[in-house]
Amino acid sequence: GDSVTQMEGPVTLSEEAFLTINCTYTATGYPSLFWYVQYPGEGLQLLLKATKADDKGSNKGFEATYRKETTSFHLEKGSVQVSDSAVYFCALTRSGGGADGLTFGKGTHLIIQP
Amino acid sequence: DTEVTQTPKHLVMGMTNKKSLKCEQHMGHRAMYWYKQKAKKPPELMFVYSYEKLSINESVPSRFSPECPNSSLLNLHLHALQPEDSALYLCASSQGTSINEQFFGPGTRLTVL
Repeated sequence: GDSVTQMEGPVTLSEEAFLTINCTYTATGYPSLFWYVQYPGEGLQLLLKATKADDKGSNKGFEATYRKETTSFHLEKGSVQVSDSAVYFCALTRSGGGADGLTFGKGTHLIIQP
Repeated sequence: DTEVTQTPKHLVMGMTNKKSLKCEQHMGHRAMYWYKQKAKKPPELMFVYSYEKLSINESVPSRFSPECPNSSLLNLHLHALQPEDSALYLCASSQGTSINEQFFGPGTRLTVL
């Protein structure tokens, strides 16, 4: 079945550091790929998405590129802020039309220190 | 309006109680979802409704009973729950297309005593 693998952390960085959170996936066909962010005590917010190979999703300074050849969708940000501290989930949904559930990675807890 | 709302925000219930969780969206989405999230874990899919019909049930125990009264509303009826059912229950909605970008509500924090 489909699966998503991501580094679990916690990942601790200093403010203004460069961020990379690795995500790789296993799926048949051409899944859509997503990054969601969850702040403490809240639901999930869609951070960015990519729906086909070589697509780059971007939002709020975060970027991720859909790499079919390496089955990866790594999340990057050039300069993190304390407010970026949260749990980040990489996820996929199968292509082919119709509603389907998201398959999530285990989540990466990011801690940004001032 | 790009918001999914959920009520109540918190719920404490005994094992013999009957309660309901509610979810609402006004984005014209045709698919709605229930997920369960335990602490420090990713969300796990429970149910999917597509065009107001149950399309996916991930082998959820019958003490959880979903209902979709119309395209904007989704309920989750709870009865005879166990303490291990304590979790954050998340509702989501999407257009139901192949892209399937899902928008989540803030969740209901459920505690079963």
